[in-house]
Amino acid sequence: GAGVSQSPRYKVAKRGQDVALRCDPISGHVSLFWYQQALGQGPEFLTYFQNEAQLDKSGLPSDRFFAERPEGSVSTLKIQRTQQEDSAVYLCASSHPTGSGGWQFFGPGTRLTVL
Amino acid sequence: KQEVTQIPAALSVPEGENLVLNCSFTDSAIYNLQWFRQDPGKGLTSLLLIQSSQREQTSGRLNASLDKSSGRSTLYIAASQPGDSATYLCAVDSGNTPLVFGKGTRLSVIA
Repeated sequence: GAGVSQSPRYKVAKRGQDVALRCDPISGHVSLFWYQQALGQGPEFLTYFQNEAQLDKSGLPSDRFFAERPEGSVSTLKIQRTQQEDSAVYLCASSHPTGSGGWQFFGPGTRLTVL
Repeated sequence: KQEVTQIPAALSVPEGENLVLNCSFTDSAIYNLQWFRQDPGKGLTSLLLIQSSQREQTSGRLNASLDKSSGRSTLYIAASQPGDSATYLCAVDSGNTPLVFGKGTRLSVIA
């Protein structure tokens, strides 16, 4: 596709359920980032991949959060045993140049609501 | 740790006014500064990217400036229109690193 896509766009989960959020980056983009955006706040970094390698996961808030990008393209962010504080918009971004920090292109996000 | 601050948090102006949004960052060792637009319930749209060696970038009615040494950037919007109403986010990176965002300025342009 022409841009970054994410699915589902909206997800409602009961507390304690596991959820999986998908990101399809722009074709050929090497770098992929996940961000979490709480209501009224700016996005905050969760984790970063370069191809299939997860180079930085320092932003993941707990060990309930796990991300993977096994073939260096599609990425999945998994949240186990969801809590109410996990409610947020989860944004995925991809960029092409490596080592130079170019434009990051964002997907529409997945709005997660934990009841 | 890099921190990004945006002032004001919210701004309401009549249509046609020129306006300035401010962004400041605590660590001047940045590689890029990006301005984004976010409409309610939507993702982020990149507006302008300024590399650390540049002082400004222009796109249509938008002009962004960067003063790296003082840790400041401004986004100038000329002849504002109701369609410009959105939240504007400023973000910096240090070269192949995640973006650090401000909390945004919520702009309302009144017809």
